[in-house]
Amino acid sequence: EPEVTQTPSHQVTQMGQEVILRCVPISNHLYFYWYRQILGQKVEFLVSFYNNEISEKSEIFDDQFSVERPDGSNFTLKIRSTKLEDSAMYFCASSASSLNQPQHFGDGTRLSIL
Amino acid sequence: EDQVTQSPEALRLQEGESSSLNCSYTVSGLRGLFWYRQDPGKGPEFLFTLYSAGEEKEKERLKATLTKKESFLHITAPKPEDSATYLCAVQTDSSYKLIFGSGTRLLVRP
Repeated sequence: EPEVTQTPSHQVTQMGQEVILRCVPISNHLYFYWYRQILGQKVEFLVSFYNNEISEKSEIFDDQFSVERPDGSNFTLKIRSTKLEDSAMYFCASSASSLNQPQHFGDGTRLSIL
Repeated sequence: EDQVTQSPEALRLQEGESSSLNCSYTVSGLRGLFWYRQDPGKGPEFLFTLYSAGEEKEKERLKATLTKKESFLHITAPKPEDSATYLCAVQTDSSYKLIFGSGTRLLVRP
């Protein structure tokens, strides 16, 4: 069964550094998403991406964050000048369309900021 | 404000003891309600989508139902392998994002 894959599974970074989290969505999907889950809290939406542009973003997704689809298969989340509070699980998801279709999630990247 | 609330926070069952998990929601306009299962250290795994009040979906020991204010996930004769966190999420008709509840941690003891 097709799945969303994310790398790395765990990333440890010093505060102030930049990180890039990588995702390979399901191959025939058109909509891509990033969510995060701080330990003990709800899964929360960051951004959605379609047709090479951001279609929606949350208040969390400020100038510190950016997304890119550098080629036909990868989808990346870049976090600049990382802060301690950026420590969380980051999940990538994809869906065939935005309307009524389920979003399928990867197993996440655990980001630890020291 | 759009909101999703799940109850109980945690549930312990004996193997074979049926029960229900609740997801209540307050949204401006519902496009779909989604149930996911999440195992420790893993991402949410899709289970069901429900679109309109009265709709029901079934998969093995799980059955999801939807009303205008809430959804139930019924677990019939659960097994230890059903132990996981069950997440409810809604998508409104004005947004792409999923709004998640806090989840119900289910433990099924043999």
